[in-house]
Amino acid sequence: SQTIHQWPATLVQPVGSPLSLECTVEGTSNPNLYWYRQAAGRGLQLLFYSVGIGQISSEVPQNLSASRPQDRQFILSSKKLLLSDSGFYLCAWIGGVSYNEQFFGPGTRLTVL
Amino acid sequence: GQQVMQIPQYQHVQEGEDFTTYCNSSTTLSNIQWYKQRPGGHPVFLIQLVKSGEVKKQKRLTFQFGEAKKNSSLHITATQTTDVGTYFCAGTSGTYKYIFGTGTRLKVLA
Repeated sequence: SQTIHQWPATLVQPVGSPLSLECTVEGTSNPNLYWYRQAAGRGLQLLFYSVGIGQISSEVPQNLSASRPQDRQFILSSKKLLLSDSGFYLCAWIGGVSYNEQFFGPGTRLTVL
Repeated sequence: GQQVMQIPQYQHVQEGEDFTTYCNSSTTLSNIQWYKQRPGGHPVFLIQLVKSGEVKKQKRLTFQFGEAKKNSSLHITATQTTDVGTYFCAGTSGTYKYIFGTGTRLKVLA
């Protein structure tokens, strides 16, 4: 069966520090991968999506970047965090036999102080 | 750009009452999905609608896709405390990109 992992679960970082969040998927190949951000009590904002290794589509211009170094690995990064980067970061994938629903990881709660 | 709005933003109901959330897209959608997010959790897929005017049911939940494929609704009959959470619609215009609605937060009072 397929599983999706995200780490860390929670993170507190100072303004101006770097960021690296990792997402890995098991049990499937060539999935579409997504990064979303959810502010407290708000909806999901699509940040990046990837349809293959090295292919990244950016939806929101900001100080974040994404990379897909391997088929089932998706990384979200920042060189310098801003206060506005605080939120709940969710990774999701679509793929396999049922090519419709998005499966979400457990998420990372990021607080920038 | 494409926008997906949901109303209401919040809804408090007494247990046993019905609940409906509406989803409206600024553009025609190829399909629409519905998700439920429990407090503190991640979104969980409920259903996908593809055809114009499509209606699907899951026990007490009824999902509908509009004839113009620009709106959708989720109706819950006789709410229970386990229905608490935020309900999101997510639409795509045929690309790999899904735009999520603003969500409706449901509270059920026992």
